[in-house]
Amino acid sequence: NAGVTQTPKFRVLKTGQSMTLLCAQDMNHEYMYWYRQDPGMGLRLIHYSVGEGTTAKGEVPDGYNVSRLKKQNFLLGLESAAPSQTSVYFCASRRLNQETQYFGPGTRLLVL
Amino acid sequence: LAKTTQPISMDSYEGQEVNITCSHNNIATNDYITWYQQFPSQGPRFIIQGYKTKVTNEVASLFIPADRKSSTLSLPRVSLSDTAVYYCLVGASFSGGYNKLIFGAGTRLAVHP
Repeated sequence: NAGVTQTPKFRVLKTGQSMTLLCAQDMNHEYMYWYRQDPGMGLRLIHYSVGEGTTAKGEVPDGYNVSRLKKQNFLLGLESAAPSQTSVYFCASRRLNQETQYFGPGTRLLVL
Repeated sequence: LAKTTQPISMDSYEGQEVNITCSHNNIATNDYITWYQQFPSQGPRFIIQGYKTKVTNEVASLFIPADRKSSTLSLPRVSLSDTAVYYCLVGASFSGGYNKLIFGAGTRLAVHP
């Protein structure tokens, strides 16, 4: 039982490039989330999903897209990366009717 | 969603009890109070959650007064490994069918030898 895993762990992009971050969970959780964390700050919600095939916007969705084609996977896409998207990205999941969110180890993204 | 206020940083020494207080004046009836811990280069980890009075688990205790406008996370006999950022969050999963947690800047706890 690996919990929540994220791929890749670290990535460097040039402005304008695109990439996809993958989050996978093996706990059969219904809810999944993508957060970003900037230095010295708390986490901010980008997008979330309440089930397979459904997604919704969080606090800071601009510049990101998501997809949840399979229950265990939640993908975060950057179509045209900008330096302002340099951050650490965390994925989380939780079970329906339970409050606790389980977080992945994070993906560190640097956009030059 | 209720906003939370907690100290930016705290210092303690090994073996001491640490109490971190969080203010949430606008807490709603359905809101739970949850605390997460985050070590450098790791994702946050759930510590404890409560609705009212006192909750205790193997890691910490959570004290919530009757008016629920504040809460106190208590860490007994801290060690160096408790050095981390602690987040207080207030929210309810079931309002609107999702769990929208608002993370503030948290409290940076430094435990010294």
